[in-house]
Amino acid sequence: EVQLVESGGGLVQPGGSLRLSCAASGFTFSSYAMSWVRQAPGKGLAWVSTISGNGGTTYYADSVKGRFTISRDNSKNTLYLQMNSLRAEDTAVYYCAKRGVVPAAIDFDYWGQGTLVTVSS
Amino acid sequence: DIQMTQSPSSLSASVGDRVTITCRASQSISSWLAWYQQKPEKAPKSLIYAASTLQSGVPSRFSGSGSGTDFTLTISSLQPEDFATYYCQQYNSYPITFGQGTRLEIK
Repeated sequence: EVQLVESGGGLVQPGGSLRLSCAASGFTFSSYAMSWVRQAPGKGLAWVSTISGNGGTTYYADSVKGRFTISRDNSKNTLYLQMNSLRAEDTAVYYCAKRGVVPAAIDFDYWGQGTLVTVSS
Repeated sequence: DIQMTQSPSSLSASVGDRVTITCRASQSISSWLAWYQQKPEKAPKSLIYAASTLQSGVPSRFSGSGSGTDFTLTISSLQPEDFATYYCQQYNSYPITFGQGTRLEIK
């Protein structure tokens, strides 16, 4: 059974940093691109970042480029999101999501339960 | 960036109704489209990928169609558990983008 469990969310002041983790199990982690998707309170889904299976290729939304860094440790089956220079508009539930069955495609067949990041003074 | 526009933004329907939600892309995305269902306070759930392929375990009352710029999600006979918000997502190119969502409510 595929499981994705996020952790690391919390309350942080504007300008601060936070690192999110996503522990994966139930599939061959290194074979799948992984992504972060966020959802601000009462709003829709917004893609944040994607990393290839071997970690060699990354993509970012313009809104987080230069501030957030996606990474993975395939030996630990864990995905990360390092968030720096946080802003109030980064407040959201952050989901990690697994790439679907088609290797060239970035749809999301499994999602974690989400972790809430609140940026406020 | 490819903009995804869903219609309607909200919809009221009854159990047993046939419902169609539309998603339009601002440029062609071939069949690189997925649909998700999200219930309050829950993570999204994958329903359909590649525009029309049903995800494993998803009831057959859900179906998807379309290619290019115009896509539809159809629920053939609404069940009580189907009342939720639905999102389309394009994965033809980065940045990956979602529609704004369609909230399906009980009439």
